[in-house]
Amino acid sequence: EDQVTQSPEALRLQEGESSSLNCSYTVSGLRGLFWYRQDPGKGPEFLFTLYSAGEEKEKERLKATLTKKESFLHITAPKPEDSATYLCAVQGALAGTASKLTFGTGTRLQVTL
Amino acid sequence: DSGVTQTPKHLITATGQRVTLRCSPRSGDLSVYWYQQSLDQGLQFLIQYYNGEERAKGNILERFSAQQFPDLHSELNLSSLELGDSALYFCASSVQGSGNTIYFGEGSWLTVV
Repeated sequence: EDQVTQSPEALRLQEGESSSLNCSYTVSGLRGLFWYRQDPGKGPEFLFTLYSAGEEKEKERLKATLTKKESFLHITAPKPEDSATYLCAVQGALAGTASKLTFGTGTRLQVTL
Repeated sequence: DSGVTQTPKHLITATGQRVTLRCSPRSGDLSVYWYQQSLDQGLQFLIQYYNGEERAKGNILERFSAQQFPDLHSELNLSSLELGDSALYFCASSVQGSGNTIYFGEGSWLTVV
């Protein structure tokens, strides 16, 4: 069974203080590792998909990296508007067009002035 | 705006009742997914449909059922509702299945009283 563990559960940063969020996973045949951002009461907002170890993707102050066992979401010089819950999910190998995401419980990030 | 539309946004109903949640996927997306998010469980995969046919199933209760119609919209039916069914229900869609980015709607907030 696919499993995703995210750490830390919560993180409080000052504006400009860079940090990293961790996502450890076990999956049978990784088809993709996904990062989402979720604001309270809203749907998850897609950030990145990583497909193979060594891959990196960047978007504004965020950079996602992937190894065979974990992924990191690096946040450089965060701003208060980056405050949200960041979710990691894996998509394992299923037959044909079958697909599902297994999510971690997320990291709640708060960025203060 | 992800392009995935869910209705209703909020719903309050009594125990034992039945409700139907509706989802319109992004234009061109053939796969529809349903997820449940409660405070203590995180995002849990319920079921996936691809072009009208069930493709993958998660821990969906027997009291719950779903279908995808020829126009690709989907409905999630929840019956004999219990207090513990109170949660945010998300619909998501993707072009096909494995490996494709999955986009989430804003959710339907169900409260069972």
